[in-house]
Amino acid sequence: SQQGEEDPQALSIQEGENATMNCSYKTSINNLQWYRQNSGRGLVHLILIRSNEREKHSGRLRVTLDTSKKSSSLLITASRAADTASYFCATALTSGGYQKVTFGIGTKLQVIP
Amino acid sequence: DSGVTQTPKHLITATGQRVTLRCSPRSGDLSVYWYQQSLDQGLQFLIQYYNGEERAKGNILERFSAQQFPDLHSELNLSSLELGDSALYFCASSGYDRGPYEQYFGPGTRLTVT
Repeated sequence: SQQGEEDPQALSIQEGENATMNCSYKTSINNLQWYRQNSGRGLVHLILIRSNEREKHSGRLRVTLDTSKKSSSLLITASRAADTASYFCATALTSGGYQKVTFGIGTKLQVIP
Repeated sequence: DSGVTQTPKHLITATGQRVTLRCSPRSGDLSVYWYQQSLDQGLQFLIQYYNGEERAKGNILERFSAQQFPDLHSELNLSSLELGDSALYFCASSGYDRGPYEQYFGPGTRLTVT
């Protein structure tokens, strides 16, 4: 079963609006990562936040992590049509000395020009 | 371009057949991961190799096997194929097997089993 669960499963917004996607998980983690996937293409790493961090920024992206609630959010500000893609969270947990990364099912974002 | 290459891009084959998917990691990356992505299952982790050794196993069927060669490229072998094996298969690489780290994904191989 998937560790991370993204919400909503699909999101449609107008260009210029902000998009917020959430990820919830069930067990402890060492870090949480967000990836983006354009239709039928490989995933692209966006940002990594460690379990001892609460917020991280990268350009128009803002990621928050609340380990007490076992949740994370990805905010894309001033969205563009080119942001249309699926966004996945991935939780990483050290097990037997190695990190296992588990992906959620993703949020499909559509940005309407 | 992530630097990870996968071949072939598309593969169409019949049930019961065996196929081999190939992945070349980014230059210098020692870890290779295989994932299966189907419409209703999301991205499923299959297996991870680090410098030729198996590191972690996910939801990989017994009909599937993988290996990583001394030149660090990896192959995923799928045998006795079933219709349900139709999916996108991704390979990813990273520089470490202990994290934290980001993974670089290849463009994927689309497998269609008819």
